[in-house]
Amino acid sequence: QKEVEQNSGPLSVPEGAIASLNCTYSDRGSQSFFWYRQYSGKSPELIMFIYSNGDKEDGRFTAQLNKASQYVSLLIRDSQPSDSATYLCAVNPGGYQKVTFGIGTKLQVIP
Amino acid sequence: KAGVTQTPRYLIKTRGQQVTLSCSPISGHRSVSWYQQTPGQGLQFLFEYFSETQRNKGNFPGRFSGRQFSNSRSEMNVSTLELGDSALYLCASSPGREINEQFFGPGTRLTVL
Repeated sequence: QKEVEQNSGPLSVPEGAIASLNCTYSDRGSQSFFWYRQYSGKSPELIMFIYSNGDKEDGRFTAQLNKASQYVSLLIRDSQPSDSATYLCAVNPGGYQKVTFGIGTKLQVIP
Repeated sequence: KAGVTQTPRYLIKTRGQQVTLSCSPISGHRSVSWYQQTPGQGLQFLFEYFSETQRNKGNFPGRFSGRQFSNSRSEMNVSTLELGDSALYLCASSPGREINEQFFGPGTRLTVL
């Protein structure tokens, strides 16, 4: 069973702090990795994707990938109350195969 | 460019009935995936279509079916509804042959009474 695991949270961080969201996956051959943000009552929206080992930065967001450890993370710097949402990790084994989502981590940024 | 649209947005049905949900992908996107989202299970993959062909199917009973039309619009059907089918059904489109970044529609909230 190919799985994507996330801590469901909630993860509470004070405003201005760094939020660190983690995800592990079981399929060692997985090729691409995605982070989606889902606000309550809304549909998921893509915020980051990463294909290669290392870090990828986009504004206040940094995605980190370690394929050897089968681990992907999302760092949110200078967290804002508007970042409060559920963050979904998604893994694509490659090509046409289905994308598997984690359960999501609920992030709460406390003003 | 218009986003992914789904109709209807809300639906209330009773057990035993059937339902058809519709999804129109972003213009030019040829891959459409369907997901069921419930609080306890998260996003569960139903099926994915590309150029009218079902390429992948999740672990759902045969009561769940779908299709894609030549204009990339997709429908999913659930027959003989059960209480446990109450969920948010999300459609996502992806631009290319490979399934990379996906763009989600607003979803259809199905309630089965």
